[in-house]
Amino acid sequence: RKEVEQDPGPFNVPEGATVAFNCTYSNSASQSFFWYRQDCRKEPKLLMSVYSSGNEDGRFTAQLNRASQYISLLIRDSKLSDSATYLCAVNIFAGNQFYFGTGTSLTVIP
Amino acid sequence: GAVVSQHPSWVICKSGTSVKIECRSLDFQATTMFWYRQFPKQSLMLMATSNEGSKATYEQGVEKDKFLINHASLTLSTLTVTSAHPEDSSFYICSATRTSGKNIQYFGAGTRLSVL
Repeated sequence: RKEVEQDPGPFNVPEGATVAFNCTYSNSASQSFFWYRQDCRKEPKLLMSVYSSGNEDGRFTAQLNRASQYISLLIRDSKLSDSATYLCAVNIFAGNQFYFGTGTSLTVIP
Repeated sequence: GAVVSQHPSWVICKSGTSVKIECRSLDFQATTMFWYRQFPKQSLMLMATSNEGSKATYEQGVEKDKFLINHASLTLSTLTVTSAHPEDSSFYICSATRTSGKNIQYFGAGTRLSVL
């Protein structure tokens, strides 16, 4: 079983739409959670950390549900520049290992 | 600005040659660095965890004699792909953890390896 499961999409949405991604993790010992954004042929860049109480950064909202072991990312008012692949990442402190989901491809259409 | 530097960004080599990739943390000391490989349209796959001053920890299925990792200083880890073959062609990315409240991974820009 994969450590992190993520719907690869693709998600094709019109500008201004709201889109949500989910990511599930299998290890209940997971401690830290993140969303990264990866543009084509580039390295992943940290989008935001995910806190237990949920957190918001402008148009982006991240949520954590420990009971169901999933994290989510909500993007409001989608912009063309939001087109990218979004990767969730989970850190298990014990081995200091990070596991990434397969990434969800988002294309925002004019 | 970048906190992790990776070099080279692109390598084309003949089959059978060895390729070394460097990963440097620029303004912090990284006792642990990570090496990933990513094939087109696939996820990052953790290859190994590089520990300063000790042997790297390899993920299952990754050949340690094929992918040599050296972490000789607190700011530098190297990955050497030995006797590269076309199937080793991939995007290799390193990362380092900056411990500041949460363990956040910062990635190098990646190295695109093409083996002819």
